Amino acid sequence: GAVVSQHPSRVICKSGTSVKIECRSLDFQATTMFWYRQFPKQSLMLMATSNEGSKATYEQGVEKDKFLINHASLTLSTLTVTSAHPEDSSFYICSASGRGRGEAFFGQGTRLTVV
Amino acid sequence: GNSVTQMEGPVTLSEEAFLTINCTYTATGYPSLFWYVQYPGEGLQLLLKATKADDKGSNKGFEATYRKETTSFHLEKGSVQVSDSAVYFCALSDRGYSTLTFGKGTMLLVSP
Repeated sequence: GAVVSQHPSRVICKSGTSVKIECRSLDFQATTMFWYRQFPKQSLMLMATSNEGSKATYEQGVEKDKFLINHASLTLSTLTVTSAHPEDSSFYICSASGRGRGEAFFGQGTRLTVV
Repeated sequence: GNSVTQMEGPVTLSEEAFLTINCTYTATGYPSLFWYVQYPGEGLQLLLKATKADDKGSNKGFEATYRKETTSFHLEKGSVQVSDSAVYFCALSDRGYSTLTFGKGTMLLVSP
């Protein structure tokens, strides 16, 4: 299968700072990328969908000004958690799909801890 | 809206035991159903899928049958191995592969 790399795998930041998480498709062009959030013992919740070169579509209840998503190229999407607070601590995971690919491929996930 | 319910874990088994992880769903229309597996430190990988009623998905000794009448997609394996230890997610999509609704995940721990 195709490879999606997510970085960093783990990050600890201070409250009020911003954190950027990268999601890269290593061997295919990702026309669409998805960002999920997972709380402990909960489902993966879709936060937003981004298509290359256009604005992300956010799911209901997700603050677009807090979770900035950029999908500037066919191999890279970034999620920036702005002015992070402890309640933003969670596991964030991306997935990517491309033309002609029948499934979305997932990154390894990022564990964010805000202290 | 769509939802997926799967049994809570962890499920702890000895090697060569029979595995069942239950999954039921609620959806409008006729969704496609998936099982994903997440090994420690890795991303989710598609394990198997079924796109219509009575389809059976299978891979690596795992299988699941799409049961419309019971809205279920239970995962089974006849003889688990230590290397099967992972978290298993049941998921559905009514808009193609990419837009997925996940269950909470079930951790499987297999001991020698």
